[in-house]
Amino acid sequence: GEDVEQSLFLSVREGDSSVINCTYTDSSSTYLYWYKQEPGAGLQLLTYIFSNMDMKQDQRLTVLLNKKDKHLSLRIADTQTGDSAIYFCAESGSTGGFKTIFGAGTRLFVKA
Amino acid sequence: EAGVAQSPRYKIIEKRQSVAFWCNPISGHATLYWYQQILGQGPKLLIQFQNNGVVDDSQLPKDRFSAERLKGVDSTLKIQPAKLEDSAVYLCASSSFPQGANYGYTFGSGTRLTVV
Repeated sequence: GEDVEQSLFLSVREGDSSVINCTYTDSSSTYLYWYKQEPGAGLQLLTYIFSNMDMKQDQRLTVLLNKKDKHLSLRIADTQTGDSAIYFCAESGSTGGFKTIFGAGTRLFVKA
Repeated sequence: EAGVAQSPRYKIIEKRQSVAFWCNPISGHATLYWYQQILGQGPKLLIQFQNNGVVDDSQLPKDRFSAERLKGVDSTLKIQPAKLEDSAVYLCASSSFPQGANYGYTFGSGTRLTVV
């Protein structure tokens, strides 16, 4: 079945850039997402990218997609302490009926 | 617009008891999802409704879990009897996309269930 993998932890200093990486297995993935989850809260959609795009930028967030390697990354510029959260990579495609499949999440720690 | 509402926020029950969770999606959203998020894992889809019909319940443990969305608006998820491994956060989400599209879901804050 479809699988999404990401590293579990990332620690950065405030003001630095953060890069969170993700790999997926579904060749039919059409949409790829990044969600953010703060403690005690639900998931918040940060951004998504179509599989026919290489890059998408939204303010401090840059998403890069390497479809050949099935690799997705999220770069957060000028990381702030408020960015500390769990970031989930996810995908949906025709194989799964366009249901969203999530990775296990990367916990980002931002040190002041 | 109002977000996805869920209640209760927290629930502690003993194993073999029953529990129910409620979700009210964003107004006009035809599709409603229940996800289970076990600590340290990503959310896993339990059931998907389109209006009041079930689209996918392939990962719902039907011997103990049930869900309904009778009027195509709010939904309840029930566990009876609960097991220790049901301890998790139960997330409700909703969306309104044309078929074959998925621009991302709106999630509620979840219900944290602890089974002791």
